[in-house]
Amino acid sequence: GAVVSQHPSRVICKSGTSVKIECRSLDFQATTMFWYRQFPKKSLMLMATSNEGSKATYEQGVEKDKFLINHASLTLSTLTVTSAHPEDSSFYICSASQTNSPLHFGNGTRLTVT
Amino acid sequence: RKEVEQDPGPFNVPEGATVAFNCTYSNSASQSFFWYRQDCRKEPKLLMSVYSSGNEDGRFTAQLNRASQYISLLIRDSKLSDSATYLCVVNIDTGGFKTIFGAGTRLFVKA
Repeated sequence: GAVVSQHPSRVICKSGTSVKIECRSLDFQATTMFWYRQFPKKSLMLMATSNEGSKATYEQGVEKDKFLINHASLTLSTLTVTSAHPEDSSFYICSASQTNSPLHFGNGTRLTVT
Repeated sequence: RKEVEQDPGPFNVPEGATVAFNCTYSNSASQSFFWYRQDCRKEPKLLMSVYSSGNEDGRFTAQLNRASQYISLLIRDSKLSDSATYLCVVNIDTGGFKTIFGAGTRLFVKA
């Protein structure tokens, strides 16, 4: 069964609104979770590393004020896309793992901004 | 140079063919290695871990060559359902673990 749960799986929102995506590790405590974005026919792009109890580490070129990450507990990380624009439409995926173990991915969230 | 490099493909093969994917990594602090499969519009799913001794799971064989910093995945008797993108993934010990993904190799298996 799934060890990482992501919600919602699909969301459509209007331009200018904010969208929150949740990522939960179900079977283990994850001190670190990862957020990715993937455009059609492109590879996964790491956006940020979410650290429990501290600030997220963002990859170069990813706006931290645009993509707010909160990792308030060992089993939950959230990504909020603020003031969404059509160019933010993408497939967002989270992942989590225990140290040096394979990553397990959430089932992804397909965001469409109209 | 990218930390993990894969042939981007695509590979177009007939059903029943044997296909091999190659992956190289550059960081000698790489600790563990995996192959993932990603179907279109879905999340990546772990296919198999890769061990120095080599490991096999049915039609799939994975091998690791630490000296050459090279990982491979062999698929025998390809099925239509094997069509997907195959991602080479490496965990690097940088004080904490960091996971690096290859860009993936697209496979199309045709009838």
